[in-house]
Amino acid sequence: AQSVAQPEDQVNVAEGNPLTVKCTYSVSGNPYLFWYVQYPNRGLQFLLKYITGDNLVKGSYGFEAEFNKSQTSFHLKKPSALVSDSALYFCAVRAPNTGGFKTIFGAGTRLFVKA
Amino acid sequence: GAVVSQHPSRVICKSGTSVKIECRSLDFQATTMFWYRQFPKQSLMLMATSNEGSKATYEQGVEKDKFLINHASLTLSTLTVTSAHPEDSSFYICSARPASGGNLEQFFGPGTRLTVL
Repeated sequence: AQSVAQPEDQVNVAEGNPLTVKCTYSVSGNPYLFWYVQYPNRGLQFLLKYITGDNLVKGSYGFEAEFNKSQTSFHLKKPSALVSDSALYFCAVRAPNTGGFKTIFGAGTRLFVKA
Repeated sequence: GAVVSQHPSRVICKSGTSVKIECRSLDFQATTMFWYRQFPKQSLMLMATSNEGSKATYEQGVEKDKFLINHASLTLSTLTVTSAHPEDSSFYICSARPASGGNLEQFFGPGTRLTVL
């Protein structure tokens, strides 16, 4: 069965410092992996995705994520955090060739960036 | 492009009443729409998948008679919470998959916060 784990409920980082939000997954076959961001009382906004190719994926707002097949991880990173990055971040996985097209979301990690 | 809207953004209703939430793809046609429910500080839980012109597929544990889904056109899906109770209070989010563009695209609406008194 597909699953996504975000081991940290909350990540605190000072503005200007690098940030990492962790995600590990479990899926049979090659995964499609996504990161979304959610601001209060808003829907999800797409940040980036990994389908195939280069393990380092660059996305919106300066975010990037690294796919590590051996560790089954897809951690979200940003070299220099901004206060405006404070939000709830979701990792998601979808296995290819599943007829139902079901995307499974992690529990979310709340990022606090302090000025 | 690829904008999904939801209406209303916020609704408060009395227990026992029914509430309809609309999800529209504004600039694309959506063959498939998804309805999610999100409890405070929790992740999104898929409730059902609806395909235009056919019955919705509900996830295990979701009452289809309680959460009526209609996907009458390629740009509109509705979720009706029937005989709402306080435990139905939640944040409901829809997403839409374009008719073109492959299986990977999925665009989310801004969500509807339902409060049942």
